[in-house]
Amino acid sequence: NAGVTQTPKFQVLKTGQSMTLQCAQDMNHEYMSWYRQDPGMGLRLIHYSVGAGITDQGEVPNGYNVSRSTTEDFPLRLLSAAPSQTSVYFCASSYVGTAQQYFGPGTRLTVT
Amino acid sequence: ELKVEQNPLFLSMQEGKNYTIYCNYSTTSDRLYWYRQDPGKSLESLFVLLSNGAVKQEGRLMASLDTKARLSTLHITAAVHDLSATYFCAVDPAGYGGSQGNLIFGKGTKLSVKP
Repeated sequence: NAGVTQTPKFQVLKTGQSMTLQCAQDMNHEYMSWYRQDPGMGLRLIHYSVGAGITDQGEVPNGYNVSRSTTEDFPLRLLSAAPSQTSVYFCASSYVGTAQQYFGPGTRLTVT
Repeated sequence: ELKVEQNPLFLSMQEGKNYTIYCNYSTTSDRLYWYRQDPGKSLESLFVLLSNGAVKQEGRLMASLDTKARLSTLHITAAVHDLSATYFCAVDPAGYGGSQGNLIFGKGTKLSVKP
């Protein structure tokens, strides 16, 4: 099992550009989520999904879109990047009914 | 709104000493998690605490949960340099107005163990 994988590992964007952060898991987990980590802030939930076709907002969803067309994949889209979105992004997954989450390696995003 | 507070946020310890990290949360929950993060790395699950009075131990680390006090502790015994990392607690508000799995994290405790 590869577990939770994320691509890319690093990305630099200019303000206004769009991009998609990829997340995939091979553990057949129903639940997947995206967090951002900023210095001194811990991790904050952006969006989550409890299954294919079902998504919902977390604590800090503005500026981000998600979709879940398959159990395995949960991409995060930045429609128009802003410097405030400079952060480290983590994807996580788990079985529904347990919050023992498995985290991906992270994507470090810089918006200039 | 569920809030999770950790203290201290920074901790510098001598090797061989004991110390405790505290995690307080503001809303009823009986699911609490501890994670470790090394610089530039992802989060590694340390402990899963799922009931009042739960105690888990792994090596020099021991975690406990008191749901009535809304408090979890991570106790470090005879610290060694390899324990230097940032430690996060996270609370799952499932069943108490929140959605299962949507963890609320504390800000983390950066631990530095010096020889």
